[in-house]
Amino acid sequence: KNEVEQSPQNLTAQEGEFITINCSYSVGISALHWLQQHPGGGIVSLFMLSSGKKKHGRLIATINIQEKHSSLHITASHPRDSAVYICAVRSSGGGADGLTFGKGTHLIIQP
Amino acid sequence: EAEVAQSPRYKITEKSQAVAFWCDPISGHATLYWYRQILGQGPELLVQFQDESVVDDSQLPKDRFSAERLKGVDSTLKIQPAELGDSAMYLCASSFGRNQPQHFGDGTRLSIL
Repeated sequence: KNEVEQSPQNLTAQEGEFITINCSYSVGISALHWLQQHPGGGIVSLFMLSSGKKKHGRLIATINIQEKHSSLHITASHPRDSAVYICAVRSSGGGADGLTFGKGTHLIIQP
Repeated sequence: EAEVAQSPRYKITEKSQAVAFWCDPISGHATLYWYRQILGQGPELLVQFQDESVVDDSQLPKDRFSAERLKGVDSTLKIQPAELGDSAMYLCASSFGRNQPQHFGDGTRLSIL
């Protein structure tokens, strides 16, 4: 079982819809990242959070440490939001701090 | 264009050949990561450097893969000999320090024929 599970795997929505992508993890973490990957491969870091909620423009990320769950929300979605959204965690164990990634959620926003 | 520079962007080569990827992190970033992303999957950590030292290479297939960061700045990842299963996107990331946001390059897409 993957340590980081995302749902849904694929999501198609209409422009303007409110989008929610979920992430569950099974290990203790020191931080959780939400990343965006466009076709061609480049990855952009959207949020790094260890508690509570963060907001940037139309994007909102929340995390519940007790439930080991995080959500990424997109308000007023737009076709340019179409991308793969990846959840990644940094384990709270000592030593290396490379990220463990989910498989990603492929989001398509139709005009 | 990403601030972390990677080259080449694309590489096509035959199995059994040697292949090398280069990464130049953001200036001042002490921590550097190499990830491999197979199509349809999330990236997986291959190796992490802190300055010139390897912090974690537990997932690096050391019989064929090697990585170095001799002066603690840019880094090279090498595969010799390449196998068909090595076809993937190879991503480099850097951060100012450990437990800091990671900045990713655009990656090198490797295809082994």
